[in-house]
Amino acid sequence: AQSVSQHNHHVILSEAASLELGCNYSYGGTVNLFWYVQYPGQHLQLLLKYFSGDPLVKGIKGFEAEFIKSKFSFNLRKPSVQWSDTAEYFCADPGGNQGGKLIFGQGTELSVKP
Amino acid sequence: ETGVTQSPTHLIKTRGQQVTLRCSSQSGHNTVSWYQQALGQGPQFIFQYYREEENGRGNFPPRFSGLQFPNYSSELNVNALELDDSALYLCASSLGPGGAYGYTFGSGTRLTVV
Repeated sequence: AQSVSQHNHHVILSEAASLELGCNYSYGGTVNLFWYVQYPGQHLQLLLKYFSGDPLVKGIKGFEAEFIKSKFSFNLRKPSVQWSDTAEYFCADPGGNQGGKLIFGQGTELSVKP
Repeated sequence: ETGVTQSPTHLIKTRGQQVTLRCSSQSGHNTVSWYQQALGQGPQFIFQYYREEENGRGNFPPRFSGLQFPNYSSELNVNALELDDSALYLCASSLGPGGAYGYTFGSGTRLTVV
């Protein structure tokens, strides 16, 4: 079965530290991948998406992600985090557009200390 | 443009009861998907509606059912509620049924079953 794995469940960083959150997907066909963020009490918001082309994807708020096909990975990065980045982050895979299903990872809770 | 709105925001039901959750899609979006997010987990796909027809379904029992109306709004119905149905229920709308369109999420309905 298709799956998305996020191995970091809770990450704690100080402001200005660099961030990398891991995401691995299992689907071997056409790959589309998303990163969503859920700030406390708010709805899921799209950070960035990969469909094809340049494997380095730029998103909002200074986030980027790199698609590495050989590693089945799509890790999220930010060079310098801010306290306002405290949120839960989800990697998601449409799974080859089968029946509209978005497959989410378990999520990574990021806590940034001021 | 308006986003995705869900009602109610919070709900408490007794085991065995039935519940209806509602979702208004973003303007111009014709597809609605529903997800269940248990505490500490990523959202799990329940089903998707496109042009008033169910377009895909996740691993949920038949007591989870839905509707989509001509204005593309949608309802999620859950019969014979169980304690494990306690979760945040998310609605997401999109321009079409495929994953490539991306999804706009609502803030969710928090259902507690006692």
